[in-house]
Amino acid sequence: GAVVSQHPSWVICKSGTSVKIECRSLDFQATTMFWYRQFPKQSLMLMATSNEGSKATYEQGVEKDKFLINHASLTLSTLTVTSAHPEDSSFYICSATLGEVEQYFGPGTRLTVT
Amino acid sequence: GQNIDQPTEMTATEGAIVQINCTYQTSGFNGLFWYQQHAGEAPTFLSYNVLDGLEEKGRFSSFLSRSKGYSYLLLKELQMKDSASYLCAVKDSNYQLIWGAGTKLIIKP
Repeated sequence: GAVVSQHPSWVICKSGTSVKIECRSLDFQATTMFWYRQFPKQSLMLMATSNEGSKATYEQGVEKDKFLINHASLTLSTLTVTSAHPEDSSFYICSATLGEVEQYFGPGTRLTVT
Repeated sequence: GQNIDQPTEMTATEGAIVQINCTYQTSGFNGLFWYQQHAGEAPTFLSYNVLDGLEEKGRFSSFLSRSKGYSYLLLKELQMKDSASYLCAVKDSNYQLIWGAGTKLIIKP
C-alpha cells in the first residue's frame, strides 16, 4: 500500500520558537494532503487541506498565520507551528489521498512545547 | 450540522465477536470509512462502504445502510491486539471527511 512518512516523529521545543513538520508521500504523488491535530483521548481534528502549488484551505478556528502550510511538490507538504505555546502541544498527523477513496496517514508527530 | 455518533467505549472478551455501531447525519454522502487507531499511533484504514450491504475482509466486516444513516464494524475472533480506538468517518457532499469521536475497544482475556 501507499506509504506516508512524517518527520520528526516527536519534538520538544521552547515556548516562542517555531517547529517545522514534514509530510512525504514515499511511493505515490499526492495532489492533496491533510493536516490533523489530535489531543489526548479525542478524535482527529482537521486543521487544513493542502493542494500542491496552491494555498492551503484552513478549517474554521485554525489560525493560518500560526500554522503555516506549504505544499511545494506532489510528495511533500510542511506544517510550521510558529511562536509555539504549551497549548499547541498535541499529536499532529498528516494524510495524503490516492484517488477518491482512501486517505493514507503518516505516523504522526508528537509536539511538546515547554 | 453534521454529526457522527459512536459509543465512547466498549469491552469484549478475547475470542468473542463485537459490533461497533456508527450513525451519521451529514450533508450528502460519498462513502463511509472505518479506521483503527492504536494509542499514540496514526489511524490505519480498515474498510470503505459506499453501497448498502456488508463488506467482509478477514476477521473484520463493515455494514452500511444509507437510508438509515447507519453503519457497523464487526470484529470476529477477537485478539488482544484488537484493543484500539475505532474511528468512523463519512465523506460529505464536498468530499470532506467528517470524523466520529472514536470508540475505544478494550479486549479482556
